[in-house]
Order: sequence, then structure tokens, then C-alpha cells
Amino acid sequence: EPEVTQTPSHQVTQMGQEVILRCVPISNHLYFYWYRQILGQKVEFLVSFYNNEISEKSEIFDDQFSVERPDGSNFTLKIRSTKLEDSAMYFCASSDMSNQYFGPGTRLLVL
Amino acid sequence: AQSVTQLDSHVSVSEGTPVLLRCNYSSSYSPSLFWYVQHPNKGLQLLLKYTSAATLVKGINGFEAEFKKSETSFHLTKPSAHMSDAAEYFCVVSVVEGVYNQGGKLIFGQGTELSVKP
Repeated sequence: EPEVTQTPSHQVTQMGQEVILRCVPISNHLYFYWYRQILGQKVEFLVSFYNNEISEKSEIFDDQFSVERPDGSNFTLKIRSTKLEDSAMYFCASSDMSNQYFGPGTRLLVL
Repeated sequence: AQSVTQLDSHVSVSEGTPVLLRCNYSSSYSPSLFWYVQHPNKGLQLLLKYTSAATLVKGINGFEAEFKKSETSFHLTKPSAHMSDAAEYFCVVSVVEGVYNQGGKLIFGQGTELSVKP
């Protein structure tokens, strides 16, 4: 069964460094998403992406965040200058217009 | 605005006994509602969804949920818990009106951790 994959599974970085989180959505899906879950808190929507552009973003998704679909298969989330409060589990999801299917997540720790 | 509230942060049951995980929703529109499950170190897996068809929705692994508009509830149940059901469960509402989640974002409840005792 097709599934969403994410790499790396864990990432440790120093505050102020750039990180890129990678996702491979299910191949025939058209909508892509990033969510995050800070430890002990709710899963929060960050951004949705359709037709090679952002369709919606939350107030969390400020200028330090960007998304890209560089090669037609990968979907990336870049955090330009990480902050301590960016430490969280980041989930990628893709949708066939009916359901959203989630990847296993990348646990990001900013020191 | 759409939102969901999960009424219990933690539920503990014995194996073989019924499971009830409670969720209330708030929505301006006819909502699409979902239950997702997250096992340790795994992704979020869709258990079931309600999209304005039958109010009693059956999902995977013997779970089901009933949409009750009068109570704005979407509680998740299972007649007999299994050890493998131990996980975190999320009640989720889609922001987009209509039958299909046409690209809209999901709003998550805070999660209910289910423990199953032998």
C-alpha cells in the first residue's frame, strides 16, 4: 500500500541553523501539507500546497518557513534560522481530495 | 470556526472491555469529522471518517463512531479492547464544507491516550 515517507526521522540542530525536512507524498496525490506537534500540545496545521503554490498557511508559518516541491516527487519544508521553540514533531501529509495520509514524522530538536 | 474538544486526555481500560473516547465538535458548516490513531513512533493513521452520509461510521480494527448533531458529538467506540489498541487517538475536523476534503486543513483535538491493561 502506498505511503507517505519522511526523512530524516530525527534531526538535531543548533539554534540559528537552517534545516530541511523532506517528504515523499503518495504519487498521484495533488494536495500536500505540513503539520507540527510540539511535545504535549495539539497537532497544528502549518501550510497546504497545491498546484505548485501555497494554498493556505497558518500564522505559525512566518518568513522563516518555506516549502518547495523541487522535483515533482519530493516536498520539503525549510526552516531558515531555527529557534528553540521550533523543536517539535513535523508531519507531512498528502491528499487524494478525500483523505489526508500522514507520514511518520520528523522529530526536530533545536539546541 | 471549526474546533474539536476531546473530553479525556487519558483513558484506561482492561483488555476485552469496551472502549469509549469522547469528542465534541464545533462547526459552522456540516462538518467532515475523522478519527486518527498514532502508535508510538508511527505516523497518523486514519481510523474512520464521517462526511454527511450514514451517522454511524465503521472504521478499521473494529472501531466505530456515531455522529450526533443534536449533541455535537462524534465519540469513538469499540466493543472489546485489544492490547494492540493502546495508542494516542485524535478527533479531527476538516475546515472545508462538503463531502470531500477538497484540500482543506485539518483541525486536531488534543488527543486521548488509550491504555489497555491485560
